[in-house]
Amino acid sequence: DSGVTQTPKHLITATGQRVTLRCSPRSGDLSVYWYQQSLDQGLQFLIQYYNGEERAKGNILERFSAQQFPDLHSELNLSSLELGDSALYFCASSVQGATGNTIYFGEGSWLTVV
Amino acid sequence: AQKVTQAQTEISVVEKEDVTLDCVYETRDTTYYLFWYKQPPSGELVFLIRRNSFDEQNEISGRYSWNFQKSTSSFNFTITASQVVDSAVYFCALSAYNTDKLIFGTGTRLQVFP
Repeated sequence: DSGVTQTPKHLITATGQRVTLRCSPRSGDLSVYWYQQSLDQGLQFLIQYYNGEERAKGNILERFSAQQFPDLHSELNLSSLELGDSALYFCASSVQGATGNTIYFGEGSWLTVV
Repeated sequence: AQKVTQAQTEISVVEKEDVTLDCVYETRDTTYYLFWYKQPPSGELVFLIRRNSFDEQNEISGRYSWNFQKSTSSFNFTITASQVVDSAVYFCALSAYNTDKLIFGTGTRLQVFP
């Protein structure tokens, strides 16, 4: 158990809908990351927050957004969903940034868009 | 540009065999970090090891060992006396000094048969 908690573990939704994925980082970790794992793209970095502020952005679509709240939990919002958004979405956390720190991943949220 | 290459897509071995998973990386940075993660069939990403670019000492942890060679830009992972529970996809990843995101390889699927 990495200590990173993600909910829900599985969800199925229809195209055009919106979903929210939730993440609680490990106790004491200030940085939260979101990654997407799909068959065609592999593991891709989406976005990082550090202590409530956006720190780095990767290949995140404009239809996706995230935030980190004062209690350090984070949410990833996916809207206008398309079939291609079906993937395993990971949240990860580290004490600060990845530089010199280990990043621990949650168990992921499996999203299926039908 | 940074890149991680795991040329072995899939490896199959019989229990008790030793197996080495290859990882070759590209970066122009002199300071960087390398990681290995394990993804069992259940889907979670499990941290195995982190190594910084200044530490070329090999590491052994039980049946696992890692060989880091800067001269060949490789960070290979060996499992000694493999077991069925080692069956998983293994990912090598790279993080540069001044960025907070992990660049993942495409993964190597290891199947250990009894």
